[in-house]
Amino acid sequence: DAGVIQSPRHEVTEMGQEVTLRCKPISGHNSLFWYRQTMMRGLELLIYFNNNVPIDDSGMPEDRFSAKMPNASFSTLKIQPSEPRDSAVYFCASSLGLGTGELFFGEGSRLTVL
Amino acid sequence: GENVEQHPSTLSVQEGDSAVIKCTYSDSASNYFPWYKQELGKGPQLIIDIRSNVGEKKDQRIAVTLNKTAKHFSLHITETQPEDSAVYFCAASGGNTPLVFGKGTRLSVIA
Repeated sequence: DAGVIQSPRHEVTEMGQEVTLRCKPISGHNSLFWYRQTMMRGLELLIYFNNNVPIDDSGMPEDRFSAKMPNASFSTLKIQPSEPRDSAVYFCASSLGLGTGELFFGEGSRLTVL
Repeated sequence: GENVEQHPSTLSVQEGDSAVIKCTYSDSASNYFPWYKQELGKGPQLIIDIRSNVGEKKDQRIAVTLNKTAKHFSLHITETQPEDSAVYFCAASGGNTPLVFGKGTRLSVIA
């Protein structure tokens, strides 16, 4: 299995631009999670889906952030408009289901907003 | 909601010595406590986990202990090697709730 696949691996953009991060979970996994990692705040859960349905988006910092999961094999995290404080590494992770144990992480998308 | 505190934030040990990382959690309903290792430029990867019906679990050079009464759990790495250098995260969850992570410990093993 290829694991969780994220793209792009690196993104540099200017303040105000739209950013879209993409994730393909492991086939057969029913739960998908978006995390943000910064030095100051560690790994923060932004939003998670179960069976393609958003369950909890209370971690999304602002309305500028949105996430979708149109089908079982694809999810996007969008930031519009982006700001310098959004600079971080964004991780997507998947698991068989909620409360089933191991999370499998992708390699992350490093976002730099100038 | 759950809150996980992790200490220390950085740890340096000599090769061959032991390393211990400690975490506390706040939600008594939490029953699953995994540890993840993150190498540079990669995503976190599960190395060991423990559930609340067990007090200790060991896998070769790594072991975890859990004290549910005190709400703390620890990671022990014995005979450390340079390849153990990484950032380690503890986490906790209960039922169908997602994992809440500690802020991480950067472990450096000095050869």
